[in-house]
Amino acid sequence: SQQGEEDPQALSIQEGENATMNCSYKTSINNLQWYRQNSGRGLVHLILIRSNEREKHSGRLRVTLDTSKKSSSLLITASRAADTASYFCAPEYGNKLVFGAGTILRVKS
Amino acid sequence: KAGVTQTPRYLIKTRGQQVTLSCSPISGHRSVSWYQQTPGQGLQFLFEYFSETQRNKGNFPGRFSGRQFSNSRSEMNVSTLELGDSALYLCASRGQVYNEQFFGPGTRLTVL
Repeated sequence: SQQGEEDPQALSIQEGENATMNCSYKTSINNLQWYRQNSGRGLVHLILIRSNEREKHSGRLRVTLDTSKKSSSLLITASRAADTASYFCAPEYGNKLVFGAGTILRVKS
Repeated sequence: KAGVTQTPRYLIKTRGQQVTLSCSPISGHRSVSWYQQTPGQGLQFLFEYFSETQRNKGNFPGRFSGRQFSNSRSEMNVSTLELGDSALYLCASRGQVYNEQFFGPGTRLTVL
């Protein structure tokens, strides 16, 4: 399928540590977007990375994209308890986002 | 700039009824997409509207329909509700320049 597949499924870290989540997809994309979701609420947009970009930063977030390996990663540095959430990557095909199951991140204080 | 708004936030319906959900995109955004989120199937694309035309459609039965108005507001309708339609329905709007999709808070539909 086209969907993004996140790895790991769940991640538990201590406050202050870095968290890395990975995403793989199957076919060529226009761009890839990362989202955060807290407890069944709406999705918060984190970063969009285009297929011709390799890396983007936003505050404590760093996203990389490797189109040759069809993979992306999201790094959250100096994590906080408030970063506890589910994180989704969504490769975009045409105008359609295709989501995986997400990574559940728990940051312990 | 106001974000994406969705109404109502919560709905309880019974099997066989129909329901209409509403979405107002970010001002200036002309593209609106709808997604369904369930524990079993995750986030799935329903359809996308741009300038009042359906531009893309996911694999959902014909009971799921939508429309977009000239002010870019969108509605989705589900007829003959089934228990399996219980879900969080999310609407997203997209700008023309950067292509980021911003989601609303969702409408949680419970079908009894």
